[in-house]
Parts: sequence; C-alpha cells; structure tokens
Amino acid sequence: IAGITQAPTSQILAAGRRMTLRCTQDMRHNAMYWYRQDLGLGLRLIHYSNTAGTTGKGEVPDGYSVSRANTDDFPLTLASAVPSQTSVYFCASSDWNNNEQFFGPGTRLTVL
Amino acid sequence: GQQLNQSPQSMFIQEGEDVSMNCTSSSIFNTWLWYKQDPGEGPVLLIALYKAGELTSNGRLTAQFGITRKDSFLNISASIPSDVGIYFCAGLTGANNLFFGTGTRLTVIP
Repeated sequence: IAGITQAPTSQILAAGRRMTLRCTQDMRHNAMYWYRQDLGLGLRLIHYSNTAGTTGKGEVPDGYSVSRANTDDFPLTLASAVPSQTSVYFCASSDWNNNEQFFGPGTRLTVL
Repeated sequence: GQQLNQSPQSMFIQEGEDVSMNCTSSSIFNTWLWYKQDPGEGPVLLIALYKAGELTSNGRLTAQFGITRKDSFLNISASIPSDVGIYFCAGLTGANNLFFGTGTRLTVIP
C-alpha cells in the first residue's frame, strides 16, 4: 500500500508558467487537503475537499485552484506561478469520521 | 487564520533526557494532533487527542489535551537519537480546519 504519492518530487519553474502538482491516495479517504510549508510559518491550508466533487478554500487559496473528479486524485494547479509561491507543498488525506490527516512526501517548488 | 504558539522553537538535549514541548492558542479546538517531520519528508502523526483533559501515550510519547481546550503538551521520555526532527502541534476546529503550530526542532546529542 503506497498511501499518498505526490509528483513531481521537485520542480523549478519560470514565473508566469502554469503548473499542476499531482496527489493520489489509495486509502479510499473521503477528504483531501493541500498545504504549503514555509520556513517559520509551519503548514498552511491552501484548499481542501471533503468528498469527491466538492472543494473548499483554506487559509491561503489565492493563486491556486483544485479539482476532485474522483476519490483518489486531488491535483493542485498554479495558473500563473509567482516567486512567492516558492514553497514545499504537501498533500494529505483523512477519513470522514477520523480527522487524522496522513501526509504525502511533499513537492519542493521553486518559482524564479 | 488561527494562531498556535508552539514552544520552545528549538531544543538541544542529551540522549536519555526527557523532553517537553507545548502549544497554546487563543481559540478553542475540538481535536489536538501532534506530528513529527523528518528532513525531506511529510509530517507523520504521533498522537491524536479528542477530549479536554485527555492524556494519551504512544510508547515513550505522552500528550495531553488541556482542560480549557486551548492548549496541549507533548512529552518524550528517555530520548534517543532517532527522536531528532521537527514536532508540530495542530488544532482542529469545529469546521474541520486543521491549523498547525510553527514547530519545535529537536536535536538529540548522543
């Protein structure tokens, strides 16, 4: 069982380019989340999805969009990347009745 | 967003010593979670607390959910080198949003 996988592991991107970070879980969890982790700020929620077909905004949603076409996949898209989006991005998932979130290995994104 | 104050920011301890770290908030949370993060990896859940006053252990780790629901602490007994990492507290609101503290970086000196 893989748990949660994220791709790519790392990426360097020119400002203004579009980028999609991929996240897949095989635990059949209802809820999925995207966080960014910046030095000194801990993890901050970008977007979440409580179930397939629904999404919601977290603490720092601007500049990001998500979709949840099925239970397993929750891609995060940066439509036009900016340097302030340089960060480490973590995807997480949890069961609807559990709230214990399990995290993927992260994607390190650098926007130049 | 919610502000979780985690302290200390960093700790240097000798192997075998006990460790204590805590997390406080101005807001009430329904659930407190403690995570550990190793370099280059995602956070891993250590302990979950669901009720005010609850005291839960997981091996050498013990955590408590404060009576006021605004704080939590994590203790590690008899530290070992593999305890090195960053420890995060996280509080879950009634709206199911999880807010993280800024982390405690633990270094264990053999």
